[in-house]
Amino acid sequence: DAGVIQSPRHEVTEMGQEVTLRCKPISGHDYLFWYRQTMMRGLELLIYFNNNVPIDDSGMPEDRFSAKMPNASFSTLKIQPSEPRDSAVYFCASSPGYGYTFGSGTRLTVV
Amino acid sequence: GQQLNQSPQSMFIQEGEDVSMNCTSSSIFNTWLWYKQDPGEGPVLLIALYKAGELTSNGRLTAQFGITRKDSFLNISASIPSDVGIYFCAGPNYGGSQGNLIFGKGTKLSVKP
Repeated sequence: DAGVIQSPRHEVTEMGQEVTLRCKPISGHDYLFWYRQTMMRGLELLIYFNNNVPIDDSGMPEDRFSAKMPNASFSTLKIQPSEPRDSAVYFCASSPGYGYTFGSGTRLTVV
Repeated sequence: GQQLNQSPQSMFIQEGEDVSMNCTSSSIFNTWLWYKQDPGEGPVLLIALYKAGELTSNGRLTAQFGITRKDSFLNISASIPSDVGIYFCAGPNYGGSQGNLIFGKGTKLSVKP
């Protein structure tokens, strides 16, 4: 298995632009999680899905953030418009219900 | 809400030394997990603990589930340069089943050859 695949690995964008981060979970995993990692706040859960349905989006910072999971093999996290304070590493993780497998992350820099 | 407190925040040690770190919570957990994050990568699960008092090893790593269920410990024996990284403890959110984890802020380990 290729593991959890995230793209792009790095993204540099200008403030105000739309950013889309992508994730392909491990086949057969029912749960998908989006986390954000910063030095100040550590790993923060943004949103998670169970069987493609969003279960808890209380960690999504504000309306500029949205996430979708149109099918079991694909999820996106979108930021529109992006701001410099969104700069962080964004991780996707999937799970069969116990134990997470993380992707390698997308390092986002908003200038 | 639930929080996991890890200490120390960072450690600088010499190769060959043993390492100890811990994680505490104000609430009870049914499961404790320890992850390691290599630079530029996502966290990887090292050890999972499911019972109070449980002691589990994975090579040079040993983790314990505290008797009070509010803490856990990770020890690394005879450290080597590839042990460098950030070690996170994690537990289920709301202290319940493992659909959703919360993470400590990590212990950053540096090893001098």
